[in-house]
Amino acid sequence: GAGVSQTPSNKVTEKGKYVELRCDPISGHTALYWYRQSLGQGPEFLIYFQGTGAADDSGLPNDRFFAVRPEGSVSTLKIQRTERGDSAVYLCASSWGTGATGELFFGEGSRLTVL
Amino acid sequence: GENVEQHPSTLSVQEGDSAVIKCTYSDSASNYFPWYKQELGKGPQLIIDIRSNVGEKKDQRIAVTLNKTAKHFSLHITETQPEDSAVYFCAASFTGGGNKLTFGTGTQLKVEL
Repeated sequence: GAGVSQTPSNKVTEKGKYVELRCDPISGHTALYWYRQSLGQGPEFLIYFQGTGAADDSGLPNDRFFAVRPEGSVSTLKIQRTERGDSAVYLCASSWGTGATGELFFGEGSRLTVL
Repeated sequence: GENVEQHPSTLSVQEGDSAVIKCTYSDSASNYFPWYKQELGKGPQLIIDIRSNVGEKKDQRIAVTLNKTAKHFSLHITETQPEDSAVYFCAASFTGGGNKLTFGTGTQLKVEL
């Protein structure tokens, strides 16, 4: 597709369950970012990849959160033992590079609700 | 780390009037300042950006100004239209450090007929 694609668009789960959120970036974009957006707030940085490697994961809140990008394209954000406080919209963005143009293209997000 | 503050949190204007949203940042190393527009249920979309070597940039009805000394930057929308109604976010980053954007808390702009 032409834009960043995220699946699922909505996910409802129970406290303690495991969830995976998928991001398919714009073709050719080498940098991929995950952000989390709580209601009424701006997006908060979680992690970014340059190619296959996580270049900076300083925004991950704790070790229940993990992300991979094994082939340098699609990325999966994994959350173990979900808690109610994990409920938010998880946004993925991609760009040509981390400094070349600066423009991040965002997907529409995956809304996670933990009951 | 970087901290970005944004004001006002809500802004209501009449169609055709101008709207101004202001942001401040804390990290003097930041050199890239984008503005994003987010409509309900959508992801943020870049509308304009400015780099630290420029003081002002304009694109049709939208302009952004940057005061590096004061660490202030502002978004100006002229001749507002109903389709401008959305949430606007400012952000700041250092492009040499992975271009991790730090966002403000957003401004809900409502353009009334």
